[in-house]
Amino acid sequence: DGGITQSPKYLFRKEGQNVTLSCEQNLNHDAMYWYRQDPGQGLRLIYYSQIVNDFQKGDIAEGYSVSREKKESFPLTVTSAQKNPTAFYLCASSTKRDATNTGELFFGEGSRLTVL
Amino acid sequence: GDSVTQMEGPVTLSEEAFLTINCTYTATGYPSLFWYVQYPGEGLQLLLKATKADDKGSNKGFEATYRKETTSFHLEKGSVQVSDSAVYFCALPYSSASKIIFGSGTRLSIRP
Repeated sequence: DGGITQSPKYLFRKEGQNVTLSCEQNLNHDAMYWYRQDPGQGLRLIYYSQIVNDFQKGDIAEGYSVSREKKESFPLTVTSAQKNPTAFYLCASSTKRDATNTGELFFGEGSRLTVL
Repeated sequence: GDSVTQMEGPVTLSEEAFLTINCTYTATGYPSLFWYVQYPGEGLQLLLKATKADDKGSNKGFEATYRKETTSFHLEKGSVQVSDSAVYFCALPYSSASKIIFGSGTRLSIRP
């Protein structure tokens, strides 16, 4: 089945540790995105990538890092510099570099990170 | 800058009630507008969209009309079901980048 796979689904981290969330898609999409979801705040864009080996900061990139070495993979690292990392993280992809034409992002099922 | 404002939840209705979730936007030009839905434990999925003024998007009994005069894109359904319980997000593309802005989400709960 084609889709986006995020792992792990649940993750616990101690303060001061870095953690990497995986996002893999087999839809052959050019663009990929990472969003953070907090209660009452909707989705906020962390990073996005329109093509391999290139990515841009979103609205809340501080304390996060990404890489895009392969078209199908866009891992997100939550670093110890992120002040409040407990949240639900959603990865998405789109068919074109400009997702705004269709508006259709395809989302994974998310990863819930809890800092202990 | 571009923004989306949608009504705060949670919204609780009885089955077969009429639903309206308000969404207004601020944007340069006339962007496409979208509604996404997030069912419990899942990621978001596109529910419906409208690409120009006066367009009506529809899917699964839901409708939304792109109103340029009031800069609104309210989501409606005539008779909700328990299975409609979810979080609904209004969204629009940034005018100058390949990004989509999401509203804060409205949680909908339907009582049997």
